[in-house]
Amino acid sequence: AQSVTQLDSQVPVFEEAPVELRCNYSSSVSVYLFWYVQYPNQGLQLLLKYLSGSTLVESINGFEAEFNKSQTSFHLRKPSVHISDTAEYFCAVLDTGRRALTFGSGTRLQVQP
Amino acid sequence: DTGVSQDPRHKITKRGQNVTFRCDPISEHNRLYWYRQTLGQGPEFLTYFQNEAQLEKSRLLSDRFSAERPKGSFSTLEIQRTEQGDSAMYLCASSLVAQQETQYFGPGTRLLVL
Repeated sequence: AQSVTQLDSQVPVFEEAPVELRCNYSSSVSVYLFWYVQYPNQGLQLLLKYLSGSTLVESINGFEAEFNKSQTSFHLRKPSVHISDTAEYFCAVLDTGRRALTFGSGTRLQVQP
Repeated sequence: DTGVSQDPRHKITKRGQNVTFRCDPISEHNRLYWYRQTLGQGPEFLTYFQNEAQLEKSRLLSDRFSAERPKGSFSTLEIQRTEQGDSAMYLCASSLVAQQETQYFGPGTRLLVL
C-alpha cells in the first residue's frame, strides 16, 4: 500500500521569506507524485507533478519540488512567498493500478505580512 | 475548457435521508473519480470510472453509497440513509488517459448531515 506523510500541519512564514513544505512517500511501484493547492472553500488545483525525467519540477508561480528516490521525498519549495500563497498544500502519490491518488494530511501555509 | 463542475455546492440534510450529487467532468475526459475529504484531512479515494465502467471501489464506499456514470459523461453519487459521519466534502475529478495521469478537481459538494 502507498502512503504519504506531510510532517508539518502548519507552517507560518513571513512574506518574502523562503519556505519548504515536506513530503515523504512510500510506494513499492513506479512513482508518480503531485502537489495540489487548496484555497479556502475551493477544490484542489494542481501545482506541479513528477512523472519521469528531471527530478526537479517547477510550477508557473515560482514553486518547485525535487523528487529524491533515496530519501523517498518530494519536498515543495519557494524562495520568496507572497500573501496570496496562503493556502492548504497537499502532496499525493498515484497508485497506477487503482488509478487512485493517496494524499497526505496537508500542510497549511500561513504567510504573514 | 470549462473545468469540472459539481452540483450542488452545498447540501444540508437530516439523518436518514437520501442525497444525490452530480459531477460534470471536463469535456472528453474519459476517467472520472470521486473522493471524500473530511475536515483537516486530505481527500480519500472512493471510486473511479473509465467511460461508463466503474473499475475500482474503495472499502470506504459502503453499501449505502452508489455511483453511476450511465453514458460515460456526467456521474452521480448517491448516499442512502445518511449518517452524521457522512458529513464531508465530496470531490469529483476527471482525467484524460493521454494526459499523463493528471486529475483535475471540481469545487466539491459540502454535505452536512444533521
